[in-house]
Amino acid sequence: GAGVSQSPSNKVTEKGKDVELRCDPISGHTALYWYRQSLGQGLEFLIYFQGNSAPDKSGLPSDRFSAERTGGSVSTLTIQRTQQEDSAVYLCASSQDSSNQPQHFGDGTRLSIL
Amino acid sequence: AQSVSQHNHHVILSEAASLELGCNYSYGGTVNLFWYVQYPGQHLQLLLKYFSGDPLVKGIKGFEAEFIKSKFSFNLRKPSVQWSDTAEYFCAVTPYSSASKIIFGSGTRLSIRP
Repeated sequence: GAGVSQSPSNKVTEKGKDVELRCDPISGHTALYWYRQSLGQGLEFLIYFQGNSAPDKSGLPSDRFSAERTGGSVSTLTIQRTQQEDSAVYLCASSQDSSNQPQHFGDGTRLSIL
Repeated sequence: AQSVSQHNHHVILSEAASLELGCNYSYGGTVNLFWYVQYPGQHLQLLLKYFSGDPLVKGIKGFEAEFIKSKFSFNLRKPSVQWSDTAEYFCAVTPYSSASKIIFGSGTRLSIRP
């Protein structure tokens, strides 16, 4: 069946530009997570959406980062005024609900800031 | 601060060797524990999880992990590895009180010599 879909798979942009990363979760999954994985680092939690509840934004590293989830489905992660340290693989995951159901991950977006 | 430590960054084994990957976490409360695997070119997948009950958890592909509460450990084991086990392995912890926040280790790269 269809898994978590992320686009684009690769994004190269110049420092200072804004970027938008997209995540299509598995149909019916109410929980959606964004993570990033920097070179040599573990996965870092960014933001979590659960149904219509206010998102948990506690992992966002700065106010340049924001995310939306429209209609309880597709999510976009926006990074404004990108910096070189934003270069990483950004991973999206979804799960059936928030009660520690296994998360299903997308293939990620590899973001490179020149 | 909550953290997960995977002390082995890169492990190289021959086929049929036994495997044990270490995972220690720092959190004083009840936790849920996970091992994720990322095969080359693929997204992260759940290998096994521990929520409660028998501390010895069996997962897919012959993997198992043992939760030792007194040692804050959740080591991953497999009695006989195969070349197809070559992958990156991530240990993860979710504090029971915060279903939204999952803390990952930095990963262990496992290379199996055929």
